[in-house]
Amino acid sequence: EAGVAQSPRYKIIEKRQSVAFWCNPISGHATLYWYQQILGQGPKLLIQFQNNGVVDDSQLPKDRFSAERLKGVDSTLKIQPAKLEDSAVYLCASSFRDRWDRNTGELFFGEGSRLTVL
Amino acid sequence: GENVEQHPSTLSVQEGDSAVIKCTYSDSASNYFPWYKQELGKGPQLIIDIRSNVGEKKDQRIAVTLNKTAKHFSLHITETQPEDSAVYFCAASPPSGSARQLTFGSGTQLTVLP
Repeated sequence: EAGVAQSPRYKIIEKRQSVAFWCNPISGHATLYWYQQILGQGPKLLIQFQNNGVVDDSQLPKDRFSAERLKGVDSTLKIQPAKLEDSAVYLCASSFRDRWDRNTGELFFGEGSRLTVL
Repeated sequence: GENVEQHPSTLSVQEGDSAVIKCTYSDSASNYFPWYKQELGKGPQLIIDIRSNVGEKKDQRIAVTLNKTAKHFSLHITETQPEDSAVYFCAASPPSGSARQLTFGSGTQLTVLP
């Protein structure tokens, strides 16, 4: 079974430029998450989708970050304009619901997209 | 919201020794506590989890204990091996409703010395 795919793996931009990250979750996983992981810290949730609807985006800096999950499959996270403090690894994760439609809890993470803002 | 504190931030042990990592959480409603292992350049991977109706869970060399009264939980790795070297994250989640939402600790860099 293929894992969570993310691209690009690395991106270097200058501040005030824009960047977009793409995520393809594991097939059949209804829930998709974007996490921000700053060096030396734990992942911090940015946004959570259930199918193509937003469950929680309370920690997403909406003045510069946006995310969408069209058709409930792939997702894109965009940053515009980028700031120095956005330098981090952006992790996409997905999870599935069991046959009783319960979320099992395990998150499957991609390898992340490392952003450096100069 | 939930706040998870994790310590130590770094831990070095000799191969074959045990390693213990501890976490505390703030939200008494949290009922799911997973542990993730992150190797360099990779995403975190679930290694063990525990739910609030259980006090301890073991899987080969790995065990997790939960004290709901004190709101803390711990990861125990016995007979450590060099391949156990990685960053370990604890996390906590309240009842899921439509989907789980994890709050992660700050991580522990475990180094197993040969």
